[in-house]
Amino acid sequence: AQSVTQLGSHVSVSEGALVLLRCNYSSSVPPYLFWYVQYPNQGLQLLLKYTSAATLVKGINGFEAEFKKSETSFHLTKPSAHMSDAAEYFCAVRRSNTGNQFYFGTGTSLTVIP
Amino acid sequence: DTGVSQDPRHKITKRGQNVTFRCDPISEHNRLYWYRQTLGQGPEFLTYFQNEAQLEKSRLLSDRFSAERPKGSFSTLEIQRTEQGDSAMYLCASSSSGGPLNEQYFGPGTRLTVT
Repeated sequence: AQSVTQLGSHVSVSEGALVLLRCNYSSSVPPYLFWYVQYPNQGLQLLLKYTSAATLVKGINGFEAEFKKSETSFHLTKPSAHMSDAAEYFCAVRRSNTGNQFYFGTGTSLTVIP
Repeated sequence: DTGVSQDPRHKITKRGQNVTFRCDPISEHNRLYWYRQTLGQGPEFLTYFQNEAQLEKSRLLSDRFSAERPKGSFSTLEIQRTEQGDSAMYLCASSSSGGPLNEQYFGPGTRLTVT
C-alpha cells in the first residue's frame, strides 16, 4: 500500500529562516508525490508535484521539494519564511495504477514567528 | 470559472437528522472526488466519479452515506441518520481526465457539526 508519513505535526520558524517540512513515502513502485497547502477555512491548494523529470521540483510561493529515492523522502523547503506561509501543509501520494484518489499525510502546521 | 464551490460552508445538525451537501466542480472537469477531513488529520478519500459514474468508494463510506452525480456536473453527498462521529470537514475536488499527475482542485469544504 502507498502512504506518506509527515514527521512533526507542528513546526515553528522565525521570519526569514529556512523552512523544512518532512515527508517520507512508502511505495513499492515510483510514486506520484504532491505537496498541498491549506489556509484556515479554505480548501487545499497545490504547491508542487513530483513528475520524475527532475528530482528537485520548484513550486509556487518559493517552495521546492527534493525527491530522494534512497531515503524515500520528498521534503518541502523554502529558503526564507514569510508570515504569509503560516498554514497547514500536506504531503500526498497518488496510486499509480487504477486508483485516482490521494493518500494524504496527517499534515504539518507551520507557524512563522515575527 | 472561479473554481470548485461547495454549499453550504457550514452545517449544524442534530444527531439522527439527514444532511445533504452540494459540490459544483470546475465546468470542464469530468472527474469529481469527495474527501473527509477530521481535526488534526489529512483528508481521507470517500468516493470518486468520472462523469456520472461512481467508480470508486472507500470503505469509510458506510451505508448511511450516498453520493450522486446525476448529470455528470454537480454532485451531492447525503448522510442519513447522522452521528457525532460524522462531524468533519467534507471536501470536494475535481480534475480533468488524464494520468495520475493531473492536479485535483479542491473546494473550500463544508464543515459539519453533529450535536
